[in-house]
Amino acid sequence: GAVVSQHPSRVICKSGTSVKIECRSLDFQATTMFWYRQFPKQSLMLMATSNEGSKATYEQGVEKDKFLINHASLTLSTLTVTSAHPEDSSFYICSARYGLDTQYFGPGTRLTVL
Amino acid sequence: GQQLNQSPQSMFIQEGEDVSMNCTSSSIFNTWLWYKQDPGEGPVLLIALYKAGELTSNGRLTAQFGITRKDSFLNISASIPSDVGIYFCAGPDAGGTSYGKLTFGQGTILTVHP
Repeated sequence: GAVVSQHPSRVICKSGTSVKIECRSLDFQATTMFWYRQFPKQSLMLMATSNEGSKATYEQGVEKDKFLINHASLTLSTLTVTSAHPEDSSFYICSARYGLDTQYFGPGTRLTVL
Repeated sequence: GQQLNQSPQSMFIQEGEDVSMNCTSSSIFNTWLWYKQDPGEGPVLLIALYKAGELTSNGRLTAQFGITRKDSFLNISASIPSDVGIYFCAGPDAGGTSYGKLTFGQGTILTVHP
């Protein structure tokens, strides 16, 4: 299957700092990538849809100024959590759209804000 | 919006037993996807189904796309300890502007006792 990488796999930061997470499709080009957040033992919650060369589309309730998304190339999307607070601690997962309806997921990033 | 009802929510089985889980929807899906998520990892695509009635196998896994397009099941035969994880069904949202967004089931947590 197609491979999606995510970096870093885990990050610990101080409250008030910003953290950038990278998502790369390694063996295919992805016009569309997605960012999810997942709480323990729950399903994935879509945060935003990232389209190459255009602004991201955010889901209701997700602050676009807090979660900055950039999709500058067909293989890279980044999520920046700005002014992080402890309540932003979570597991963040990206995925890349493959074909019409399939998504391949990255391995996830565990963010801990102290 | 579309919803997927996945059952059971959790299963506790003995190694060697067969497992069956399913997803149902009140609306039609044109694609059904089954993912497995290991603890601390991103979901991995197990099987993709694109045609009503389709029955597809991947090793010990078998999945079927229901003929009504409103349901799908996943079977695991002769379970082994490494089958432990959370299994999600997913299907693409309807609508031309969805960009391939997926609706996810709530997940089935599988525990396999050696």
